[in-house]
Amino acid sequence: HVQLQESGPGLVKPSGTLSLRCAVSGDSISSNNWWSWVRQSPGKGLEWIGEIFHSGNSNYNPSFKGRVTISVDKDKNQLSLRLNSVTAADTAVYYCARRLKTFDTWGQGTRVTVSS
Amino acid sequence: DIVLTQSPDSLAVSLGETATIKCKSSQSIFFSSTGFNYLAWFQQKAGQPPKLLIYWASIRESGVPDRFSGSGSETDFTLTINNLQAEDVAFYYCQQYYSSPFTFGQGTKLEIE
Repeated sequence: HVQLQESGPGLVKPSGTLSLRCAVSGDSISSNNWWSWVRQSPGKGLEWIGEIFHSGNSNYNPSFKGRVTISVDKDKNQLSLRLNSVTAADTAVYYCARRLKTFDTWGQGTRVTVSS
Repeated sequence: DIVLTQSPDSLAVSLGETATIKCKSSQSIFFSSTGFNYLAWFQQKAGQPPKLLIYWASIRESGVPDRFSGSGSETDFTLTINNLQAEDVAFYYCQQYYSSPFTFGQGTKLEIE
């Protein structure tokens, strides 16, 4: 039974960096899957941020204009998200998700608010 | 980016009846070399993450009741929910995985009439 669990600060100051982790259990981060981050906000709905393969290959949504970095830690079997220069528009629920063809397993999500 | 437009934005259907949700893509998401349409449907209940229902436009994910079915090809797709049950109240989203950036429809809110 695969489980994903996001964690990280729930409040980030404007212009700061949002950092989240996603712990994976029941599957190896080195399996033949891509590992994604997706966010959901009232204003923009569901928005794919980017993904990474265990080899380090990554794909990002150009709409994030180079602000985002996704990485994997094979020893801890987890992936991470860093989003720089955040604004109120980055306030959302952030999900990690496993993708083979599409997103078949999701974490419960973590709510992040950008506010001073 | 591929834009997915769902219709309607919301609908109310009586228990036991059929709900139909449409998803239109701004370009074809059919890949001729594989013969597949790269479209999925998700269900999201209040306070929960999205749950995969349908992939390759018409293949039910394991454990999904056969009341849920998907159809369509290239740019026009449909999610049909037969014999609507109370537990089907949720938002429904289509999503394309034909090309990056992967995109979602705006969602359809399904309620009981």
